[in-house]
Amino acid sequence: AQSVSQHNHHVILSEAASLELGCNYSYGGTVNLFWYVQYPGQHLQLLLKYFSGDPLVKGIKGFEAEFIKSKFSFNLRKPSVQWSDTAEYFCAVNARGGSQGNLIFGKGTKLSVKP
Amino acid sequence: GAVVSQHPSRVICKSGTSVKIECRSLDFQATTMFWYRQFPKQSLMLMATSNEGSKATYEQGVEKDKFLINHASLTLSTLTVTSAHPEDSSFYICSASNTASGYNEQFFGPGTRLTVL
Repeated sequence: AQSVSQHNHHVILSEAASLELGCNYSYGGTVNLFWYVQYPGQHLQLLLKYFSGDPLVKGIKGFEAEFIKSKFSFNLRKPSVQWSDTAEYFCAVNARGGSQGNLIFGKGTKLSVKP
Repeated sequence: GAVVSQHPSRVICKSGTSVKIECRSLDFQATTMFWYRQFPKQSLMLMATSNEGSKATYEQGVEKDKFLINHASLTLSTLTVTSAHPEDSSFYICSASNTASGYNEQFFGPGTRLTVL
């Protein structure tokens, strides 16, 4: 069965610090990978996605993620965080060619950025 | 584009009553809709997947007779929590995708907070 693990439950950073959130998945086949963000009181929004091609994916708001197939990882990065990045971040995976496109979510990482 | 709405955003009901939650794709045809449940400080758990015009596929452990899902059109899916109990209190989120387009990308609604007294 597919699973997604996010290593950090809560990350606290000061503004301008660099961010890296870990995400590992377990699935033997080809996958699509996603990072979603949920700002306080808002719904899930897609930050970035990887389907194929360049494993370094750039998303909105200065975020990027790198797919490392050999490590089954898709870590999210941002060089310099802002207070407005305070949110919960979810990594998600679905199996390429899956009949339903089901997304399997990690448990989420709460990011708190101190002004 | 790709906006998904949910109604109501918040509902409080008495134990034993039924509650219907609507999920609409506003600007695209959603061939597949998903229903998730999110407990406080936890991740989203997929409850069921529905394809337009066919029966929903429920995840293991989800009672299909308690959580009735209807996906009658390409823009609307409904989740009915029947005979709700306090343990059904949760945040219910739907998402929609147009798998016919070849993408497995889901667009999420804002969620519905259900409180059962």
